[in-house]
Amino acid sequence: GQNIDQPTEMTATEGAIVQINCTYQTSGFNGLFWYQQHAGEAPTFLSYNVLDGLEEKGRFSSFLSRSKGYSYLLLKELQMKDSASYLCAVRYSSASKIIFGSGTRLSIRP
Amino acid sequence: DAGVIQSPRHEVTEMGQEVTLRCKPISGHDYLFWYRQTMMRGLELLIYFNNNVPIDDSGMPEDRFSAKMPNASFSTLKIQPSEPRDSAVYFCASSKGTGGADTQYFGPGTRLTVL
Repeated sequence: GQNIDQPTEMTATEGAIVQINCTYQTSGFNGLFWYQQHAGEAPTFLSYNVLDGLEEKGRFSSFLSRSKGYSYLLLKELQMKDSASYLCAVRYSSASKIIFGSGTRLSIRP
Repeated sequence: DAGVIQSPRHEVTEMGQEVTLRCKPISGHDYLFWYRQTMMRGLELLIYFNNNVPIDDSGMPEDRFSAKMPNASFSTLKIQPSEPRDSAVYFCASSKGTGGADTQYFGPGTRLTVL
C-alpha cells in the first residue's frame, strides 16, 4: 500500500516552533510535497523534497529521510495565520499522480 | 496570471439530479486533476488527464461519475444521478508536468451539497 500517516491535530503557541511529521511507504518513492490548506480554501504548495536533508524556505523548513520513509515540516516563529491544515503528499515512481495524506490540522493559540 | 478557475463555487441540488462541475486549467499546463475532499476520506484523486487524454480514472467512485476534457482549456466532471454521499468539495488542479518539483496548482473548489 501507499499509506501516508500524519497526526490528525496539533496545537502550538504563537511565536513558538512546531514540527509536523509524516511517514510513508518507501517502495517506489519519487518525491514528497507539503501543502498548506486554510479552512474553506484550496491547498497551496509549500515545499518539495526528493533528496535526503533539510530544505529551508523562510519560516518553513522540510526534512526528508528516504531510508526511513519519514519527513517533517518545521514551522518557526508561529503566527496566528499559520492556523491551517498541512498535507503531506507523495509521488511514487510508477505514476504521475501524487497521493495525499489526511492532513494535520494545526491550531495556534495566542 | 489567472490561476485554475472552477465553476460554480457552490452547488446545492437534490438527489437524482445531474451535476456538472467545470474547470479551466492554467494556460500551458499539460496535466489536469480532479479531486474530491471530505472530512472522512480527505483529498482523493478521482481522475487525471495528460494533453486532454484521461490517463488514470481508477479513483472515480462509480459509473455515475464521468469526466471529459474536450480541449486544453476546459474540463468537466459530471455526476448523474447525484446522491447525498456525493456531497463534498471538488477541486480541480493543473500542472506543467509530473516530474521533479512540478507542483499542482489548485482551483478554489466547488462545494457540492446533495439533499
